[in-house]
Amino acid sequence: DIVMTQSPDSLAVSLGERATINCNSSQSVLSRSNNKHCVAWYQQRPGQPPNLIIYWASTRESGVPDRFSGAGSGTDFTLTISSLQTEDVAVYYCQQHYAFPLTFGGGTKVEI
Amino acid sequence: EVQLVESGGDLVQPGGSLRLSCVVSGLTFNNYAMNWVRQAPGKGLEWVSFISGSGINKYYADSVTGRFTISRDNSKNTLYLQMDSLRADDTAVYYCAKGYSSAGVSWFDPWGQGTLVTVSS
Repeated sequence: DIVMTQSPDSLAVSLGERATINCNSSQSVLSRSNNKHCVAWYQQRPGQPPNLIIYWASTRESGVPDRFSGAGSGTDFTLTISSLQTEDVAVYYCQQHYAFPLTFGGGTKVEI
Repeated sequence: EVQLVESGGDLVQPGGSLRLSCVVSGLTFNNYAMNWVRQAPGKGLEWVSFISGSGINKYYADSVTGRFTISRDNSKNTLYLQMDSLRADDTAVYYCAKGYSSAGVSWFDPWGQGTLVTVSS
């Protein structure tokens, strides 16, 4: 199984400041079909289901603000919120969509 | 707008059974694979099971293999999860979530609101 390891477990960021979340996969998740990394990111606000933010490691889902960006290569990936807003307070999860069983990171709680 | 609505969650005793349903609207249901993902209280996300758009291909997490069965009725736009031999550690909110295409691994988008399963005596 591919293990997804997120860090940190939580972080506090001031309004308007940058937040960076890390995610490491235990093996390569590079798709041979399109040369893209198979990593997705989700935002889960309290009491809500998760919401897709990023897929293919860096493709922003339609409607997601451009302050959210994903990057990475090899086995190390990041989600960056360039200027934190109050509505961004949530838990963020990475997920590999490379192979079954599909696996998630443990989550990172972002607070102000 | 695509909508997913789960139902069937309940309080059940250890060793019992439960069937969850997820009704999907706003898309051509058999064009998309579907998944179940669960979240134990205060914990992270755990993928449970996958079924292809045709219903032919199915995958399960090791933790539920042999106890849970995923199925779908494309004529009713409905996804199911039959849960047998339930254990306390199956207690969670169960989400249904749509895959990107009709088959294969993918991200999950969108998700339903979830249904709570509690396994306790």
